[in-house]
Amino acid sequence: LAKTTQPISMDSYEGQEVNITCSHNNIATNDYITWYQQFPSQGPRFIIQGYKTKVTNEVASLFIPADRKSSTLSLPRVSLSDTAVYYCLVGDRGYQKVTFGTGTKLQVIP
Amino acid sequence: GAVVSQHPSWVICKSGTSVKIECRSLDFQATTMFWYRQFPKQSLMLMATSNEGSKATYEQGVEKDKFLINHASLTLSTLTVTSAHPEDSSFYICSASGTDRGSGELFFGEGSRLTVL
Repeated sequence: LAKTTQPISMDSYEGQEVNITCSHNNIATNDYITWYQQFPSQGPRFIIQGYKTKVTNEVASLFIPADRKSSTLSLPRVSLSDTAVYYCLVGDRGYQKVTFGTGTKLQVIP
Repeated sequence: GAVVSQHPSWVICKSGTSVKIECRSLDFQATTMFWYRQFPKQSLMLMATSNEGSKATYEQGVEKDKFLINHASLTLSTLTVTSAHPEDSSFYICSASGTDRGSGELFFGEGSRLTVL
């Protein structure tokens, strides 16, 4: 299972764009990159998934360089409700056994 | 709405008793479910993979006789913490493979907080 490395924590002011980068140097050919959000005492929630280049949905964008050894989750104009822990996961989309890294605790400041 | 539901959301029990936590996939059949444990301020730790109709696969260091997993149907997996002790107090989370739902994401339950007195 590919290991992931993320910053432990980040602070951001409301309204700013936040970029969280994840390193996954030993990502396998079949692996996808998925980001989840977790609030205290809740299960993780899916944010976005990608394989290469750029993926965008209504809440975030995911940037993946050509070598796929890292990825960046971009949250536009964060609000206080975006304060949470964000996890980058790498795994086979079919089997989906994944290992959680440390996650990044994002604190949005008013 | 939720596609994976856990019950109970919280439970308090006495030391030495057993506690069962249920994980249900609500609108799809899940051949594979995963059980995680999360201690305060820590990440999720995978405990075991639950396979419908067969024995669960446990991660290294997880006692299979302590944490009994049953995946008797395609919509239900249960985790039983046997002879619970205070150190078993934790947040237990299940997830179901989205592959069965035609999705590439894992669907997580709301979590179950176990407190052992």
